[in-house]
Amino acid sequence: DAKTTQPPSMDCAEGRAANLPCNHSTISGNEYVYWYRQIHSQGPQYIIHGLKNNETNEMASLIITEDRKSSTLILPHATLRDTAVYYCIVLASGGSYIPTFGRGTSLIVHP
Amino acid sequence: KAGVTQTPRYLIKTRGQQVTLSCSPISGHRSVSWYQQTPGQGLQFLFEYFSETQRNKGNFPGRFSGRQFSNSRSEMNVSTLELGDSALYLCASSSGLRGPEKLFFGSGTQLSVL
Repeated sequence: DAKTTQPPSMDCAEGRAANLPCNHSTISGNEYVYWYRQIHSQGPQYIIHGLKNNETNEMASLIITEDRKSSTLILPHATLRDTAVYYCIVLASGGSYIPTFGRGTSLIVHP
Repeated sequence: KAGVTQTPRYLIKTRGQQVTLSCSPISGHRSVSWYQQTPGQGLQFLFEYFSETQRNKGNFPGRFSGRQFSNSRSEMNVSTLELGDSALYLCASSSGLRGPEKLFFGSGTQLSVL
């Protein structure tokens, strides 16, 4: 069973912010939220992760709700190269894990 | 630092044959995990190896097996190939230690079974 739920597709205008939602209502206290993206025919690429606080890095920002049941990945200024499938997964910290990627969200950034 | 390397990049086999795929992790990483990606089923976890031991296993038949060597390089084997085994096979490496884990993926091996 998928631990996360994401919309199958979204689109965004170039230069605008892309906000990708993820629902993880059954997340456990020791599970982190991770985001990856996959550009066609390549392996997934790590974007960002968080436990309960909001996080920001050079690629994106991650907003996690206070109850941790959902999160939003924000690409502040989307470019055409951000067109990809975005996966939200939850994983327990270190050691044993079985990542469930689901179908992700296909983001299309248009000019 | 070199990334995760998967060989070969493309492979064509016929039904009933077997195939071995190779994955070289990032230097220092001790965990290697394998995934199958198809248009119908998406990205699915096969198994994970840490320090030469299988630590986790997904829901795939016994025809799918793997191993990890002392240098952390890993191989995946699929025996008695079926048409449905046609897929992109990805491996990912990570430190495998405590704490949040980032998975670093290779570019994959595209397997076509005819």
